[in-house]
Amino acid sequence: DQQVKQNSPSLSVQEGRISILNCDYTNSMFDYFLWYKKYPAEGPTFLISISSIKDKNEDGRFTVFLNKSAKHLSLHIVPSQPGDSAVYFCAASASLTGANNLFFGTGTRLTVIP
Amino acid sequence: GAGVSQTPSNKVTEKGKYVELRCDPISGHTALYWYRQSLGQGPEFLIYFQGTGAADDSGLPNDRFFAVRPEGSVSTLKIQRTERGDSAVYLCASSMQGIGTEAFFGQGTRLTVV
Repeated sequence: DQQVKQNSPSLSVQEGRISILNCDYTNSMFDYFLWYKKYPAEGPTFLISISSIKDKNEDGRFTVFLNKSAKHLSLHIVPSQPGDSAVYFCAASASLTGANNLFFGTGTRLTVIP
Repeated sequence: GAGVSQTPSNKVTEKGKYVELRCDPISGHTALYWYRQSLGQGPEFLIYFQGTGAADDSGLPNDRFFAVRPEGSVSTLKIQRTERGDSAVYLCASSMQGIGTEAFFGQGTRLTVV
C-alpha cells in the first residue's frame, strides 16, 4: 500500500507564478518529511525537509508546509523558474521508531512555462 | 568525486543471468541505501547499511537479491537469476548518519532484463 501519495502526476505553471505541489501520507508515525527533485537520467536531489515539530520551513524560493492533523504537506515554489521543471518526489520517514527507510510518493512532474 | 557514483549507468542482461551493481558513496558517509525505481513509481526501499552491516534488509523482494558493503564504503547489489520484472533503475544513496539527515543519491543504474 502506498503510504505516501502524490495525487497529481503533473503540473504546469507560468514562469514567475507560484507552484504548489501536494503530498498526503497515511502513517501517523512519520515524523520527518523531505522533498526531492529529479531531472532525467539523474538521481533525486535533496531540496528541503521538515520535522514534525514544525509546520513550516523556508529556504529561498522553496517553502514546505506541514499539516499533521490532515496528514498533508505541500511544497511552494515562488517565483517559479523554467529551471524548476523536473519531477518532484515527496518522502517520509518514521525516524523516531528507528526505521531507516524513506517512503516515497510517485512524483509530480512540474513544467514551468517561460 | 564529490557525489555518489554508481556503475554501470546502464546494464542490459539476459533473463536468468547474474548481475552486480556498484555504488561508491560520498566519503565519510556511514549510512548507505539501495532503492529501486520502476517506471512511473517513486523509489522503493531495498536495503540499508550502517557501516559494514546490513541494518535493515526488509525491502529486498526475495532471496535472489543480496547486497554487501565489506569495508563500510563501496557497496555491491547482486541479483541472481534475473527476471524481466527486475528491470528498473537501481538507486544508491548515502548520508552522514542515517534517516533524519538528508540522503544524497547517485544517478542510478538502469537495468534491463531481456
